[in-house]
Amino acid sequence: AQKVTQAQTEISVVEKEDVTLDCVYETRDTTYYLFWYKQPPSGELVFLIRRNSFDEQNEISGRYSWNFQKSTSSFNFTITASQVVDSAVYFCALSGVGNAGNMLTFGGGTRLMVKP
Amino acid sequence: DTGVSQDPRHKITKRGQNVTFRCDPISEHNRLYWYRQTLGQGPEFLTYFQNEAQLEKSRLLSDRFSAERPKGSFSTLEIQRTEQGDSAMYLCASRGQGAYGYTFGSGTRLTVV
Repeated sequence: AQKVTQAQTEISVVEKEDVTLDCVYETRDTTYYLFWYKQPPSGELVFLIRRNSFDEQNEISGRYSWNFQKSTSSFNFTITASQVVDSAVYFCALSGVGNAGNMLTFGGGTRLMVKP
Repeated sequence: DTGVSQDPRHKITKRGQNVTFRCDPISEHNRLYWYRQTLGQGPEFLTYFQNEAQLEKSRLLSDRFSAERPKGSFSTLEIQRTEQGDSAMYLCASRGQGAYGYTFGSGTRLTVV
């Protein structure tokens, strides 16, 4: 069985602060994918990133960066210099590969509030 | 490419009534998914189609729920004899062959009163 845990239910920061959203996962698969999605108030889930379990390199995209550590089963997401527009609920998710990759298991989400 | 469209955006229904939701995926995407999201929770998988074939169904999908994808294009999700516990956001997503991410629609929010 797969499980994703996002222990932080809500985080509040002031604009320009850095913030890290934690994600811990459990899976018996040896290969898998990890995802982060953003859900703004409009409700649509916006795809941010997918990582393959083979690739533990950290990734940076603008103000966003991701730290994947297989040893601790964690896939944390950092927003640098947060902005009010970053306010949303962020979900970490896990899927298998191939035919097992047709179901995403989501964490409970972290609500990020960025105050001006 | 206009994204994944879901209709209606909101539905209020009385307990015991039947409701049907529609999802129009991105046209070239052959895979279509339904998820349910209750307040304060992450989305939970309901079912998956590849073209017109329904290949996976969650245990969450009780006998009152049925989904179809005729001709491998749009999909419908029907809930019969709705219960208050069915109140949730129903999300549809689609994915093309070899695509990285799933593209989600804005969802249909169902309220059963």
